Amino acid sequence: EAGVTQFPSHSVIEKGQTVTLRCDPISGHDNLYWYRRVMGKEIKFLLHFVKESKQDESGMPNNRFLAERTGGTYSTLKVQPAELEDSGVYFCASQFGGNTIYFGEGSWLTVV
Amino acid sequence: QKEVEQDPGPLSVPEGAIVSLNCTYSNSAFQYFMWYRQYSRKGPELLMYTYSSGNKEDGRFTAQVDKSSKYISLFIRDSQPSDSATYLCAMSETGGFKTIFGAGTRLFVKA
Repeated sequence: EAGVTQFPSHSVIEKGQTVTLRCDPISGHDNLYWYRRVMGKEIKFLLHFVKESKQDESGMPNNRFLAERTGGTYSTLKVQPAELEDSGVYFCASQFGGNTIYFGEGSWLTVV
Repeated sequence: QKEVEQDPGPLSVPEGAIVSLNCTYSNSAFQYFMWYRQYSRKGPELLMYTYSSGNKEDGRFTAQVDKSSKYISLFIRDSQPSDSATYLCAMSETGGFKTIFGAGTRLFVKA
């Protein structure tokens, strides 16, 4: 069974540009999470989808970040415009019901 | 004050040693306590999961939760070089949703 897949694995963009990160959860997992870890900080919760609905987006840092999960399958996280402090690794995770949460390998974002 | 405090290490031990990792927290509403292992350039992988206080053992790993002291621990017996990784404690109020992570402790087990 395929795990949580994230794309791209690495991205280098200039300040002010737009980046879209994609997450394909494990098939059948209704819960999907986005987390990120910026340099020197802990992994922080961004938001939680249940199917296509945003259950909790309290961790989204500001309105430059937009997450979608159309159709309740894959999810995208768009950063527009990107700032230097957005550099870090963005993790997606999925979960079936209240069971184990599985993390992807992360999308490493560098804003220069 | 951070909700979860974890010493980032690094912690270096010889093969076969018993490793003790721990975290403290401030939010008394946390009910679910997890330990994740993260290898370099990989995502976190759930290692242990405990609800409320008590101990849980799985092979060489033992997780302890003391809610009265707001303190959790992970013990690794007979540590192996393959245990070298970053260990993250994590907690939540509601069973995994909106998990709060510690900073992670880097562990090196020397052969």
